[in-house]
Amino acid sequence: NAGVTQTPKFRILKIGQSMTLQCAQDMNHNYMYWYRQDPGMGLKLIYYSVGAGITDKGEVPNGYNVSRSTTEYFPLRLELAAPSQTSVYFCASSYWASGGVVETQYFGPGTRLLVL
Amino acid sequence: DAKTTQPNSMESNEEEPVHLPCNHSTISGTDYIHWYRQLPSQGPEYVIHGLTSNVNNRMASLAIAEDRKSSTLILHRATLRDAAVYYCILSGSGTSYGKLTFGQGTILTVHP
Repeated sequence: NAGVTQTPKFRILKIGQSMTLQCAQDMNHNYMYWYRQDPGMGLKLIYYSVGAGITDKGEVPNGYNVSRSTTEYFPLRLELAAPSQTSVYFCASSYWASGGVVETQYFGPGTRLLVL
Repeated sequence: DAKTTQPNSMESNEEEPVHLPCNHSTISGTDYIHWYRQLPSQGPEYVIHGLTSNVNNRMASLAIAEDRKSSTLILHRATLRDAAVYYCILSGSGTSYGKLTFGQGTILTVHP
């Protein structure tokens, strides 16, 4: 299994440009997540999805959009890039069963985004 | 959501045990205690989790206080590869279901 994969690894954007960060997982996980991590800080949840067709906002959703048409893919869209969106973005997935059984979150290697 | 408190940083020598503390005085009865770590320039990785009883796995041990208001991650013999940021996270029922809230964690430095 490849686990969680993310592309690109690094990108420079100009203010106002848009881009899509790609995330894929091959573990048949139902939950997927997008986090951002600013320098020296912990991860903050942007959006998450509990299954195909279902997404919900996390702690810092402004300026981002997501979609989840299949189990495997969970892209993150930045419509109008701003310098405040300079960060490292991590995608993660997990399998969460009804009844509250805890499952591990698996993280991708991250995408470093610089907005100038 | 219940929060956790960890020291900002800790230091250890290689091959010595490391005890990383975490306070979670507002933990609810259904909250699990998770530990993740983040190596430099990598995404976080799972270390261990528990509910009430102490837990052991190949990476570490988790000691949970009887009142569950604190826990300790134990690395039995630290290696240079264990230098990372360690996050103590609570997750359980309610609005945090299925989600993890990362704080700033504890930066562990391991000296050769």
